[in-house]
Amino acid sequence: NAGVTQTPKFQVLKTGQSMTLQCAQDMNHNSMYWYRQDPGMGLRLIYYSASEGTTDKGEVPNGYNVSRLNKREFSLRLESAAPSQTSVYFCASSSRTGLATNEKLFFGSGTQLSVL
Amino acid sequence: RKEVEQDPGPFNVPEGATVAFNCTYSNSASQSFFWYRQDCRKEPKLLMSVYSSGNEDGRFTAQLNRASQYISLLIRDSKLSDSATYLCVVRKAQGGSEKLVFGKGTKLTVNP
Repeated sequence: NAGVTQTPKFQVLKTGQSMTLQCAQDMNHNSMYWYRQDPGMGLRLIYYSASEGTTDKGEVPNGYNVSRLNKREFSLRLESAAPSQTSVYFCASSSRTGLATNEKLFFGSGTQLSVL
Repeated sequence: RKEVEQDPGPFNVPEGATVAFNCTYSNSASQSFFWYRQDCRKEPKLLMSVYSSGNEDGRFTAQLNRASQYISLLIRDSKLSDSATYLCVVRKAQGGSEKLVFGKGTKLTVNP
């Protein structure tokens, strides 16, 4: 059971380059999320998708776009990478769509992105 | 005041010790609370949810104090394998949607 799969695991970009981080889950979850984690900052939400066909901004959406291609896949795109986007990126999913308690987030293994 | 605050540590304890982490949150409308564990260079994984009445899972005990707006995690009989960063997570409703807020984490090292 793969769970949440993210690709690539590592990426180095030059300033101004673009790239797409891919995420797929095989748990039939409705909600999917993209977070970034920086030293001393904790996890911060970039974008999320509560269900197929919907996306919403999180805490730090600037410089990113997302696509919820279908129920399984949620991609994150950097159109013009900047050094400030150097970070570890995590995709996550959960089964909940509305208010509920004790819902578990399943995370992918992360993408280490460096922008030079 | 930050939404979720944790003591960053690091906590260095010997095997077998009891260690406690606290986490405070600023928004009284917060609804659900969790502890996640993150190993070095790995993804976070749910350790346990935190219920109002307090809950226990083996050597781990979580407590919630809504009046004082803090959550705690107690680890008894620490094992080397408990070495990790522990993330406090708070869920709250906000303007028709809701939000998960992560603390920065508390690093624990259990020494032989």
